[in-house]
Amino acid sequence: GAGVSQSPSNKVTEKGKDVELRCDPISGHTALYWYRQRLGQGLEFLIYFQGNSAPDKSGLPSDRFSAERTGESVSTLTIQRTQQEDSAVYLCASSQRGSGQPQHFGDGTRLSIL
Amino acid sequence: AQKVTQAQTEISVVEKEDVTLDCVYETRDTTYYLFWYKQPPSGELVFLIRRNSFDEQNEISGRYSWNFQKSTSSFNFTITASQVVDSAVYFCALSEAPRGYSTLTFGKGTMLLVSP
Repeated sequence: GAGVSQSPSNKVTEKGKDVELRCDPISGHTALYWYRQRLGQGLEFLIYFQGNSAPDKSGLPSDRFSAERTGESVSTLTIQRTQQEDSAVYLCASSQRGSGQPQHFGDGTRLSIL
Repeated sequence: AQKVTQAQTEISVVEKEDVTLDCVYETRDTTYYLFWYKQPPSGELVFLIRRNSFDEQNEISGRYSWNFQKSTSSFNFTITASQVVDSAVYFCALSEAPRGYSTLTFGKGTMLLVSP
């Protein structure tokens, strides 16, 4: 498809387990962002990738969170030893390079920690 | 630090009414961008508009219009003759340009409910 694709759409897991979320950006978009949206809240920035540059990890809430991206393709967000407060929708967005470029979002992964 | 405030948590209107969603922002930069996104019940965020800090011209797109005023640090969004399909959460967002990329700072959103 032409849009940002995220998988899985829903994930339910037990506290303490690791989870991996996947994002496939729009073809040709070099910038990729991860955000977290807690219930009834706005989006919180987590991490930004641009090509082969070092990522901006300034939004990651703890060292249990990590993300990878190979070149300008798929990205994975990993949460280790999940906690109940990690329950949220995790949104991925991609854009063309440069300031002010509109970000286009995927449908998100709804993560529920039991 | 940058900040976006959407003071209206929820607005309810009847179809065909006009409605304005407020957005106030804070930034220390002179170059920045403002955005509005729509999040319908299905959950996907839909990009509506981008404005840069040097362009204060108001914009109209169909039933949608945006009023950008740097003097009051506001970027308000008006829907004319609202429809049920406009029901959604609307987010205002800000990005600062100096780093060369656009990490967005979002407001908490305004939920708009349009009743038939």
